[in-house]
Amino acid sequence: ETGVTQSPTHLIKTRGQQVTLRCSSQSGHNTVSWYQQALGQGPQFIFQYYREEENGRGNFPPRFSGLQFPNYSSELNVNALELDDSALYLCASSSPGTGSYEQYFGPGTRLTVT
Amino acid sequence: AQTVTQSQPEMSVQEAETVTLSCTYDTSESDYYLFWYKQPPSRQMILVIRQEAYKQQNATENRFSVNFQKAAKSFSLKISDSQLGDAAMYFCAYRSASNDYKLSFGAGTTVTVRA
Repeated sequence: ETGVTQSPTHLIKTRGQQVTLRCSSQSGHNTVSWYQQALGQGPQFIFQYYREEENGRGNFPPRFSGLQFPNYSSELNVNALELDDSALYLCASSSPGTGSYEQYFGPGTRLTVT
Repeated sequence: AQTVTQSQPEMSVQEAETVTLSCTYDTSESDYYLFWYKQPPSRQMILVIRQEAYKQQNATENRFSVNFQKAAKSFSLKISDSQLGDAAMYFCAYRSASNDYKLSFGAGTTVTVRA
C-alpha cells in the first residue's frame, strides 16, 4: 500500500509569483484535503476535494485553488504569492463513506516566499 | 465554528515517566471525533489515537490513553513510560461526524523527553 506523497519537498518563490503543489493520495482513497501549517502553529484547513469536486473550503482567499484528477491525485495552486504564504503545506487523503474517517498525511511541501 | 485549544505550548518529561497533555474544544454538536496527532521534527504527521464522541469508554493505544470528558469538552492525552522517540509536537484535532470532513487543530504542544 502506497502512502501519501507530496512534491516538491521544498520550494522558494518570490512575492507575486504563482506556485503549484502536488499530492498523490493513498491507494484506495478518493478524498484529498489540503492544510496550511505556519511555523509553530497547528494546520489550518484550506479545502477538500472529493471525486474531483471541491467539497468544503476554509477561510482562504480565492487565489488558493485546487484540482483533483480522476486518479484522485490533487494539486494546490496559489496565485499572487504573499510573504505570509510561507508555510508547510500538508495534504491528507481519506475515504469517507467506507466507515473509515482517518486522514493520512503526506510529508508536506515547505514553501518559502521571499 | 469549532475551536480547539491546547493551553500548554511545551511540556517536558523524564524518560520512563508519564506526561499528560491538555486539550479543550468548543462545539454545539453531539456527534464528532477527536484525535491526537504526533508530528516529529521534520517528519510527517501521524495519528496517535482517536475517540468517538458517542463512546463513553476512553480510547487506549499501548502507552497512549485519553481522558475524554464530553460534558466538560475536554480531551487529554496521557503518555506513559515516555520514550525518547515520543519527543514531538502533539496536536489535538476535532472532526464533525456530519459531512464536514475537515480537521480543526489546536496550536500544538511540544513534548521534550529528558534522558
